[in-house]
Amino acid sequence: EAGVTQFPSHSVIEKGQTVTLRCDPISGHDNLYWYRRVMGKEIKFLLHFVKESKQDESGMPNNRFLAERTGGTYSTLKVQPAELEDSGVYFCASSQGSSGAYNEQFFGPGTRLTVL
Amino acid sequence: AQSVTQLGSHVSVSEGALVLLRCNYSSSVPPYLFWYVQYPNQGLQLLLKYTTGATLVKGINGFEAEFKKSETSFHLTKPSAHMSDAAEYFCAVIRRGAGTALIFGKGTTLSVSS
Repeated sequence: EAGVTQFPSHSVIEKGQTVTLRCDPISGHDNLYWYRRVMGKEIKFLLHFVKESKQDESGMPNNRFLAERTGGTYSTLKVQPAELEDSGVYFCASSQGSSGAYNEQFFGPGTRLTVL
Repeated sequence: AQSVTQLGSHVSVSEGALVLLRCNYSSSVPPYLFWYVQYPNQGLQLLLKYTTGATLVKGINGFEAEFKKSETSFHLTKPSAHMSDAAEYFCAVIRRGAGTALIFGKGTTLSVSS
C-alpha cells in the first residue's frame, strides 16, 4: 500500500510568487492534515480536512494560504504571494476514521519550500 | 494552552549505550502522547503512543516510554543504541476532546557513534 506522497519535494521561489503544494493521502483515509516546520522551530499544525470539508483551520497563518481538497482525495496548499517567512518544510498526514477519535496519522516526506 | 518541551535539541550516545530522550508536556487534562521519528529524507514515523491503560508503552525498534502523570513526562528510552537509531525524534500530544491535531516539541536529534 502506498504511503502519503507529497509533490514537489523541494521548491525554490522568489518573494511574491505563487507556489502550490500537493498531498496525496493514503487511499481511504478521510482525515488529511497539513503541518509546517519553520527552521529551528517545532512542527505546527495548519489545518485538518475530513473528506472535502475543513474541520479545523485554526493553524493557518494568514489569508495568503489556501488549502483545498476537492472530492475528498488529494489536497493542495497554495501560498500566494509567498513571503520570506513562509520558508520551511510542509508536511501532510492522513488518518482513517471519524473526526474526534484518535487514529494514527501517517506522514508524508514533506515539501521543502525556500522563498528567496 | 498546551505545550511540549523536549530537553536537549541534540543528544549524542555511543553504540550500545542507553538512549534517553526527555519530553514534558503541559496540559490540564492528561493528553494522548506520542513519539515520532524522522529519518533523513523520510516522513515522520510513529514510534509509540500512550492513550489509556498501561503507562509503560513499548514501540518499534526496541524503544519504550513511560507516562508519568505526576511529573507530566513521557521520556523515550532504549537500552542499547544502534547506529541505525540516528535520526530526529519528536514528542507530540493531542489534548483529549479537543480535536486531533498534533502539538509537537521542537525535536531532538540523536547521534550514535561507534
